[in-house]
This record gives sequence, C-alpha cells and structure tokens, in this order.
Amino acid sequence: GAGVSQSPSNKVTEKGKDVELRCDPISGHTALYWYRQSLGQGLEFLIYFQGNSAPDKSGLPSDRFSAERTGGSVSTLTIQRTQQEDSAVYLCASSLAIGYETQYFGPGTRLLVL
Amino acid sequence: AQTVTQSQPEMSVQEAETVTLSCTYDTSENNYYLFWYKQPPSRQMILVIRQEAYKQQNATENRFSVNFQKAAKSFSLKISDSQLGDTAMYFCAFIVNYGGSQGNLIFGKGTKLSVKP
Repeated sequence: GAGVSQSPSNKVTEKGKDVELRCDPISGHTALYWYRQSLGQGLEFLIYFQGNSAPDKSGLPSDRFSAERTGGSVSTLTIQRTQQEDSAVYLCASSLAIGYETQYFGPGTRLLVL
Repeated sequence: AQTVTQSQPEMSVQEAETVTLSCTYDTSENNYYLFWYKQPPSRQMILVIRQEAYKQQNATENRFSVNFQKAAKSFSLKISDSQLGDTAMYFCAFIVNYGGSQGNLIFGKGTKLSVKP
C-alpha cells in the first residue's frame, strides 16, 4: 500500500480482556517496529521484526504483551488481560531494512482500557 | 544510557516568522542518524528531516533546516516562514546501529509548537 496502515483506529476495552492490534507495513519493507506513546512517557520502543523474526523482545513491558509477524508483512500486537496502564497510542513503523533506514509510521491505534 | 532531551515542552511563533526547536542527545557511539518527526493532532508521525552523523553539512528540506553540532551533541530544528500547518508536536530522535542488528528510534519527549495567525 501507499503507507503504513493500522487497525483499529481506536479501541475501548474492559480491564482483563485481550486485544489485538494490527499493522500492515509499506510493501517491500522488511523491518517493522512497534512503539507505545503514553501521556507523560513519550515514545517507548516495544519490539522490532526483521522479516518474521523478532530477535529482541526485551522492550515488551510484560509477558502479557506478545507480537508476531507472518509472511514478512502484517504484524499483530496482542495484549492479554489488559490493565488500565496499557492505555496508550500504539504506533507501528516500517523501513526498508533494519539499521539507519528511515522509519515510516502508521496513524496508530488508541487503546483505552476501562 | 542513550537519551534525547528536548528542553522546550511548548513553543509558539507568529505565522511567517522563524522558530528554532532545541534537541540534545547522549550516546557513546560515533555512527548514528538523527531525525526530526512531526506529529499533528491527526496522530500521524511524519518525517521532517534527517541527518547522518558522519556528514558535516547541515541537512535542509525546504523551510526546515538543522544545526547539527556533533561535538556538543546538539541537533536543533529551524522552521522558516512558519505556517499554520506547522502546528504539531515535534520529536527529535536518533538511531544507533549496532552492526545492523537493531535500529530502533530513541525519542525525546517532544516540543508542542503552536503557530499563531
């Protein structure tokens, strides 16, 4: 596609429920990144993929968070048993490759946990 | 630790005037790239300008230019002829590439810029 797309745009859920956030990167981009943007916390790196592989998962805030990427394209970020502190905007970005390449961002998913 | 500091949480400028946003960063690495991103209320993070640390010449992109001072680890953004559409949050960020193994952006907390008519 022309740009990075994310769905849903907004998600409201109840505490304890699971949510799935989707990212569709720019066609041909092998690298994909997830960031979280919280009020007062700035932008926090969560995880990256090179192809379908995520070599470093240490940025994920807890074991309730997981991510996968299939076919070197679409990625899903899953949050299990959501907590109120998970409320944030989740941004996805893609780039041609890992390294110094410019990252292009999607519009984000705003998650609100009640 | 690798950090980015944006010391101006909010700024305002009159339309058509010039404004400079400050950014300092800290890294012990010698090879890195620096970026300014803009995030309007629509939430979409848009690349404004990028600078390779090995280049001495300051990057320019139309009305946007940077003042890159590598020794001082400073990377300020100058916006000339400010327009109402420049109203947004501006984030300074950099990437340090550990042999191509990672490359996640490290962001500052942002500067909220308001352009007034």
